[in-house]
Formats: sequence, structure tokens, C-alpha cells
Amino acid sequence: DAKTTQPPSMDCAEGRAANLPCNHSTISGNEYVYWYRQIHSQGPQYIIHGLKNNETNEMASLIITEDRKSSTLILPHATLRDTAVYYCIVRPYFGNEKLTFGTGTRLTIIP
Amino acid sequence: EAGVAQSPRYKIIEKRQSVAFWCNPISGHATLYWYQQILGQGPKLLIQFQNNGVVDDSQLPKDRFSAERLKGVDSTLKIQPAKLEDSAVYLCASSLGPGVSSGANVLTFGAGSRLTVL
Repeated sequence: DAKTTQPPSMDCAEGRAANLPCNHSTISGNEYVYWYRQIHSQGPQYIIHGLKNNETNEMASLIITEDRKSSTLILPHATLRDTAVYYCIVRPYFGNEKLTFGTGTRLTIIP
Repeated sequence: EAGVAQSPRYKIIEKRQSVAFWCNPISGHATLYWYQQILGQGPKLLIQFQNNGVVDDSQLPKDRFSAERLKGVDSTLKIQPAKLEDSAVYLCASSLGPGVSSGANVLTFGAGSRLTVL
């Protein structure tokens, strides 16, 4: 079973920041938060991951609360190509535990 | 670097027939995964290999599904006989494998093989 809770769907205006929340209240100390997205008819694509500090890369920013029970993925300037299903997953960084997907958030960017 | 290659991209068969999917992971990736994604759902792990050994196949319907990863590189997933409920996209992914960095567990997915069972 997935260890995260995400809203099923969200809309965001093109050019605005898209903020996708994720609740992971039972996260363990050795578990990272990973974000993937799946554009229609493609395989999931890795976006970003983090442990407890905020992270930023060329695709997005990840904000993790101090108690690590929730996080927010931020797409700073959403474009139509960001329309996808976004998955938030927690997983230990060390070891072979499987990556378990939930149902994700369907983000629709509106022109 | 080249991505994860999968074939065929599409396959239509009748129930009770057999089908095989092939996956070539990223060079040097020790861990290989097969996921099943039914329309409207998130991907579900079927089997996970570490090199050529099975790490997790707890959700693989072993009465009809089989998978192998010979020589720890390419992998084949077979369904025999197929049922209507096997209609799905079969995704292959690979990762460096368990290691000392969090990046070693980042999965790269292929485009998937879409199976339709009539």
C-alpha cells in the first residue's frame, strides 16, 4: 500500500506556479520523498527527491516540512507540457525496497 | 545515455493466447523492474530483479506470468495464457541499484508495452 496521500486532481493556469501537496505522516527516518510524473502514453519520469532539506533542480523545487510529515512539489512556471499525473513516493534510499505508486495527482495546466 | 528500451510497443491478442515483452535496461543498471499499469491506476510492481536474481515477485501471478533476466542484462516478461484482465501497459524500469547514495534508487522507465486482450 502507498504510504502517501495526494489530492486526486488539480488545475493550474499556464505561467503560474503549480504547488502539489503530499502527505506522508508515517514516513520513517531513513525514507526519502521521491516525485515522479507520467505524461499521457509515456512511462513515469523522475523529477526530484529529498530527505529533509529543500531541494531544487532544473525541473522543480521540493519543500519538505520540518517534521517531514508532508511535502510540496513546486513547478515554478507551469506550461501545457506539465499536464500529467504526479506521484509522490516515500522509499528508503538504501536497500531494495520496492517503489510503490499510489494514484497520484492529475495536474491540468489551463491555457 | 540511451534510455530503457521496450518492445513491442503495442500487442493485441485473444484470451488464452501467449505474449512476451522484452526490456533492455540502461547499461550498468543492476536493478530491473516490471510494472503493470491498468488504465486509470498507478503502476503496480510485478517483479524486481537485482542482477539476475529475483528480489520481489510477491505480486506476480505465477500461474500465468513468468519473467527472467538472463546474464543480468535484458529481461523478458511472458504471459501464458492471457486473460481479459491482463489488458494493461507493461512498464520496464531500471536503476543503479541499492547503494550509498539516494540517487542510486532513481528509476528510469521505458515507454511501455500496451497489451490488449480480446
